[in-house]
Amino acid sequence: NAGVTQTPKFQVLKTGQSMTLQCAQDMNHNSMYWYRQDPGMGLRLIYYSASEGTTDKGEVPNGYNVSRLNKREFSLRLESAAPSQTSVYFCASSLTGAGYGYTFGSGTRLTVV
Amino acid sequence: QQQVKQSPQSLIVQKGGISIINCAYENTAFDYFPWYQQFPGKGPALLIAIRPDVSEKKEGRFTISFNKSAKQFSLHIMDSQPGDSATYFCAASRDTGRRALTFGSGTRLQVQP
Repeated sequence: NAGVTQTPKFQVLKTGQSMTLQCAQDMNHNSMYWYRQDPGMGLRLIYYSASEGTTDKGEVPNGYNVSRLNKREFSLRLESAAPSQTSVYFCASSLTGAGYGYTFGSGTRLTVV
Repeated sequence: QQQVKQSPQSLIVQKGGISIINCAYENTAFDYFPWYQQFPGKGPALLIAIRPDVSEKKEGRFTISFNKSAKQFSLHIMDSQPGDSATYFCAASRDTGRRALTFGSGTRLQVQP
């Protein structure tokens, strides 16, 4: 009964390095999301995938790319990390759309130095 | 553009008291309003949600009050307990079209014994 699994849990990057955050869900959900959480700013949507094969930009997509690898997996890539991308990243999934409630992963704490 | 404004940023309540957190939204197309609860080091979890066809929804000690004309909704926690100490986020979305939640900035609640 894993729910939404995110890896890694912690990561430190140097400016300009790249990395991919992994997310997988085992609830047969159709929709998946990536948010970043910063103090005083709540959770801001980076990208989402309403269903397998589709992805859409959210509120803060610049500097990120995503891949919906299959129904279970949705990855977030930072091509050239910047200090402004220091944040806690959450992946979430829902059955279909926001109205069914999200299940969140436990987050990835990323520091870019 | 902050579409969901949440207040207060932090709140201290005595055990047994009532905690009240308020949110206001701008987009009249929103038709789904959930509240999420987040403990330190964890992802947010769905607490309670309401749709605009009702003005109030109660689940145990948690109640959402909704005022469609004022475009406001609030979370009331009755008989607040130390275990309720967490960060609370309001959110909103349309159930059709763009199906991703827009979150408020969060309220850190501390219930003192």
